Amino acid sequence: EIVLTQSPATLSLSPGERATLSCRASQSVSSYLAWYQQKPGQAPRLLIYDASNRATGIPVRFSGSGSGTDFTLTISSLEPEDFAVYYCQQRSKWSITFGQGTRLEIK
Amino acid sequence: QVQLVESGGGLVKPGGSLRLSCAASGFTFSDYYMSWIRQAPGRGLELVSYISSGSSYTNYADSVKGRFTISRDNAKNSLYLEMNSLRAEDTAVYYCAKMREGVADYWGQGTLVTVSA
Repeated sequence: EIVLTQSPATLSLSPGERATLSCRASQSVSSYLAWYQQKPGQAPRLLIYDASNRATGIPVRFSGSGSGTDFTLTISSLEPEDFAVYYCQQRSKWSITFGQGTRLEIK
Repeated sequence: QVQLVESGGGLVKPGGSLRLSCAASGFTFSDYYMSWIRQAPGRGLELVSYISSGSSYTNYADSVKGRFTISRDNAKNSLYLEMNSLRAEDTAVYYCAKMREGVADYWGQGTLVTVSA
């Protein structure tokens, strides 16, 4: 099973700042990496798929990069509604696994 | 627009059974893989199972293999999860998700399953 490790576990920033979230895979997943956002009491929402493609309706301040084992989700300038938990997810070799999540909180 | 509505959750005793349903609308259900993803209280996400568009292929997490069965009825635009021999560790919110190339692009609101004596 491919293990995804997200860092940091918690990130404390202020609105307007840049957020950089990391996801590392235990083996290569090529570009088959997605990012989701989850707010309290809500279902997750797809943000990024195939490492760098924004899902429908996702603002341009969200961007993804990386390939192989190291991936990054960047939020260029934080809006109040961006404070949430973010998960990465890989799909490869018929296997789908999620990272443990990064909590983005208001500083 | 895509809508996924889960039902069937509730309180069940250890060793008991439950059947979850997911009603889909707003897309051609029979064209897409579907999955069940769960989230234990205060925890992360775990893929429970997924099923191919025509039901020919299914996949299960090791933690539920042999106890849970995923199925679908394309004529009714519905997805199901039969859960048997339930354990306390199965307590979670269960989400139905539409899959597109291994990515969950739409999610339902979830249904809570609580396994407790």
